[in-house]
Amino acid sequence: DSGVTQTPKHLITATGQRVTLRCSPRSGDLSVYWYQQSLDQGLQFLIQYYNGEERAKGNILERFSAQQFPDLHSELNLSSLELGDSALYFCASSVQPHSYNEQFFGPGTRLTVL
Amino acid sequence: AQSVAQPEDQVNVAEGNPLTVKCTYSVSGNPYLFWYVQYPNRGLQFLLKYITGDNLVKGSYGFEAEFNKSQTSFHLKKPSALVSDSALYFCAVRDGDSGNTPLVFGKGTRLSVIA
Repeated sequence: DSGVTQTPKHLITATGQRVTLRCSPRSGDLSVYWYQQSLDQGLQFLIQYYNGEERAKGNILERFSAQQFPDLHSELNLSSLELGDSALYFCASSVQPHSYNEQFFGPGTRLTVL
Repeated sequence: AQSVAQPEDQVNVAEGNPLTVKCTYSVSGNPYLFWYVQYPNRGLQFLLKYITGDNLVKGSYGFEAEFNKSQTSFHLKKPSALVSDSALYFCAVRDGDSGNTPLVFGKGTRLSVIA
């Protein structure tokens, strides 16, 4: 158990809908990362937050947004969902945002868009 | 931009034999290299990392990896494989000289250890 928690574990929804994925980092970790894992694209970095501020952006669609709250938990919002958004979404956290810090991953949220 | 190649989609090894999972990388600055393992229906677990120093890095569960700058490789090794090592292994790289660059993962290598 990495100490990173994600809810819900599974999410099934329809195209065009909006969902929110939640992540709580390990105790003491200030940086949160979101990743998307799919069979065709592999593991893709979406976005990073550090102590409430956006720190880096990767291949995140405009329909997706995220934020980190004062208690350091983070939410990833996915809107106007398409079939292709079906994937595993992972949250990870690290103590600091430095490149040499390893990231600790949560168990993931499996999103199925029908 | 940095990239990682894991040339083998699948590696099969008999229990008790040594195992190697290959990884090569491309990065413009100093490479920070990581190995993660993913068991079915689980998140990624950190195994080990190379930042600087000794080229041979020891990690969790008896795994180790060797950093080879001239060959731009960071292969994962274990002297004696266990059936419980069967999982999906990911190599990842960050550019240590470019501030807060993202962690870039390889496509993963599925390791199957046969009893």
